[in-house]
Amino acid sequence: NAGVTQTPKFRVLKTGQSMTLLCAQDMNHEYMYWYRQDPGMGLRLIHYSVGEGTTAKGEVPDGYNVSRLKKQNFLLGLESAAPSQTSVYFCASSYGIAGGPNNEQFFGPGTRLTVL
Amino acid sequence: AQSVTQLDSQVPVFEEAPVELRCNYSSSVSVYLFWYVQYPNQGLQLLLKYLSGSTLVESINGFEAEFNKSQTSFHLRKPSVHISDTAEYFCAVSGFGGSQGNLIFGKGTKLSVKP
Repeated sequence: NAGVTQTPKFRVLKTGQSMTLLCAQDMNHEYMYWYRQDPGMGLRLIHYSVGEGTTAKGEVPDGYNVSRLKKQNFLLGLESAAPSQTSVYFCASSYGIAGGPNNEQFFGPGTRLTVL
Repeated sequence: AQSVTQLDSQVPVFEEAPVELRCNYSSSVSVYLFWYVQYPNQGLQLLLKYLSGSTLVESINGFEAEFNKSQTSFHLRKPSVHISDTAEYFCAVSGFGGSQGNLIFGKGTKLSVKP
C-alpha cells in the first residue's frame, strides 16, 4: 500500500496563477482532509470531505476550492494564487472522523508551494 | 469549540536525558487527545492517543502521555531520549462527531536532541 500520496511535491507559482494539488489514498478511507502548515502556526484545516461527492469548509477555507469526485482522490484548487498562500500543504485521510473510534489520520508527505 | 496550547516552541535536550513536552487544551465537551510526530521533511505520524479508559497511554518507542482532566493537560514524556527522537511534536484535540470531530492542532514543539 502506498498510503496517502500527494502530487506535486514542490511548486512555484506567480501571483494570480492557478493550480490543483492532488491527494490520493489507497486505504478505502471515507474521510479526507487538506491542511496547511506555516511556521509557528501548526496545522490548520482548509477543507475536508466526509465521503465521495461531499466537501465542507475548515478553519481557513478562503481562496481554496476542493472536489471529491472519487472516493480515493481529494483535489485542492487555488484559482488565483496569492503570496499569503505560500505554505506546505498536507493531505490526510481517516476511516472515521477524528471524534470516533477509527480516528487515526494518515498524512501524505506534503506539497511545498511558493507563490511569488 | 476546542483549542490547544503547546507551551514550548522549542525544547533542546541532551541524549539520554528525560523530556516533557507540555500540552494544555480547552473544550466545553469531552475530548479525544492525540500526539503526532513530524520528522524532518515528512508528513505527520500518530504517536499515541487517548480515547477513554486508562489515563496513561504509551507509544511503541517509549513515549507516554497522561490525560489529566482537572488540569486539562496531556503532557508527553520520555525518560531517556535518543538522537532519533529529534522531530516536531504536535498535540491535537477533537470533540465527538460532526464538525467538532475534526482535529485541532497545537502550534508544535520542536524537540532537538543533542549528543
